[in-house]
Amino acid sequence: EVQLVESGGGLVQPGGSLRLSCVASGFSFSRYWMHWVRQAPGKGLEWVSRIDIDGTTTIYADSVKGRFTISRDNAKNTMYLQTNSLRAEDTAVYYCARGPPTLCFDYWGQGTLVTVSS
Amino acid sequence: QSVLTQPPSVSGAPGQRVTISCTGSSSNIGADYDVHWYQQLPGTAPKLLISGNSNRPSGVPDRFSGSKSGTSASLAITGLQAEDEADYYCQSYDSSLRAYVFGAGTKVTVL
Repeated sequence: EVQLVESGGGLVQPGGSLRLSCVASGFSFSRYWMHWVRQAPGKGLEWVSRIDIDGTTTIYADSVKGRFTISRDNAKNTMYLQTNSLRAEDTAVYYCARGPPTLCFDYWGQGTLVTVSS
Repeated sequence: QSVLTQPPSVSGAPGQRVTISCTGSSSNIGADYDVHWYQQLPGTAPKLLISGNSNRPSGVPDRFSGSKSGTSASLAITGLQAEDEADYYCQSYDSSLRAYVFGAGTKVTVL
C-alpha cells in the first residue's frame, strides 16, 4: 500500500523557516517524481514544487521561487521542503504527492499545517 | 484567479446527473496536456478521481466519468449519492507557466 506521511509543520513567525518532510513507503520511491501541493485555509489547491527521480531537476511555482527548496534522499525514501522567508500568505496545509509520468498526482499524504503568524 | 476555470458550485438531487466544466487555454488543455480530476471530501486530503482525461483509477465507481475537447474538459457524476458531496478540482500542466495548474474547485451539493 502506497503511503506518504508529512511532518514538520507548525507555527512560525513571518520571516522564519521550517523544514517539511515526507516519508514514502509501499512503492519504489526512487522511480517517481515527487511534488508538494498546498492548500490555504478554506481555499483551493496550489502546486508548489516538483523534484525529479534523482533530485537533479526541480521546478517551483512563482509564488515560492527563491524562498523554498525541494530535495530528496532516495536512501531514506524521504522528500523535503525547506521553506525560508515565510509570509502570512504561505499559511496552508502542505501535502506531498507522488507524480507519475502522466503529470497528475496519484497518491497524497494527509498533509502538515504551516501557520505563519506573529 | 485560477488558470483553469470551474463553476464554484453545482447541485443535484440523489440519483440525478451533474457535470462540472473546466476551461483552460492554448497553453494547457488546448496544448494537448491531459486533464485530471480530484475529489476532496471534507477534512481529508484530495484523492485522484480521473486521470488522463477519462481514466478511472482502481476503486473509483463508474458513476464518475471524464471527457476533454479542445480547451475544455468536464467531469460527470451520474446517479448522484449523498457521499459524493465534496469539492472537485481539475488539474493540468501549463507550458507557458511551466507549472502544474488547478481549477479553483467546485463544491457539489446533494439536495
